[in-house]
Amino acid sequence: NAGVTQTPKFRILKIGQSMTLQCTQDMNHNYMYWYRQDPGMGLKLIYYSVGAGITDKGEVPNGYNVSRSTTEDFPLRLELAAPSQTSVYFCASSGVGHQETQYFGPGTRLLVL
Amino acid sequence: AQSVTQLGSHVSVSEGALVLLRCNYSSSVPPYLFWYVQYPNQGLQLLLKYTTGATLVKGINGFEAEFKKSETSFHLTKPSAHMSDAAEYFCAVSEAGNNRKLIWGLGTSLAVNP
Repeated sequence: NAGVTQTPKFRILKIGQSMTLQCTQDMNHNYMYWYRQDPGMGLKLIYYSVGAGITDKGEVPNGYNVSRSTTEDFPLRLELAAPSQTSVYFCASSGVGHQETQYFGPGTRLLVL
Repeated sequence: AQSVTQLGSHVSVSEGALVLLRCNYSSSVPPYLFWYVQYPNQGLQLLLKYTTGATLVKGINGFEAEFKKSETSFHLTKPSAHMSDAAEYFCAVSEAGNNRKLIWGLGTSLAVNP
């Protein structure tokens, strides 16, 4: 079991560029999440999904989009990157509810210049 | 609105000393409570959680936490700190209602001095 994997590990973007952060889990979890982590700010939920084909906004969804076409994959799309999106992004998954243990990927460090 | 407060963004202890990381929450219904740990340059992993039942919860690496409803607290303790415990610790509480999304504290960075 690889758990939750994320690619890339690190990326530098120019302002206005777009990119997709990839996330895959092999635990057959229904719930998947995207968080961003900024120093001293804890975790902020960007988007989440409760199953294939179903996504919903979290606390800070502006500037991001997601899709969930399969149980395993939950990519995060950044359109028109801005410096405010410089952050560390974590993908996570859990079984059948938010209150279940969330399993995190190793993170993607994004720098927007 | 529900919230989670972690008292002390930075805590420093000596190796072998007691570790106490504080977490208070506000919730109108019985919450689910969690402690996660993040080691440097890694994702978060679950230390322990309280859902129902016994209020003293034991987790991995010798950590434990006690749910005190009257104090709305869920403090994390370890009797004797080890150098490998140096990490960021996050407390989280599940929202009330059907959704139960997690609300995260801002984290406490634990340093362990030799």
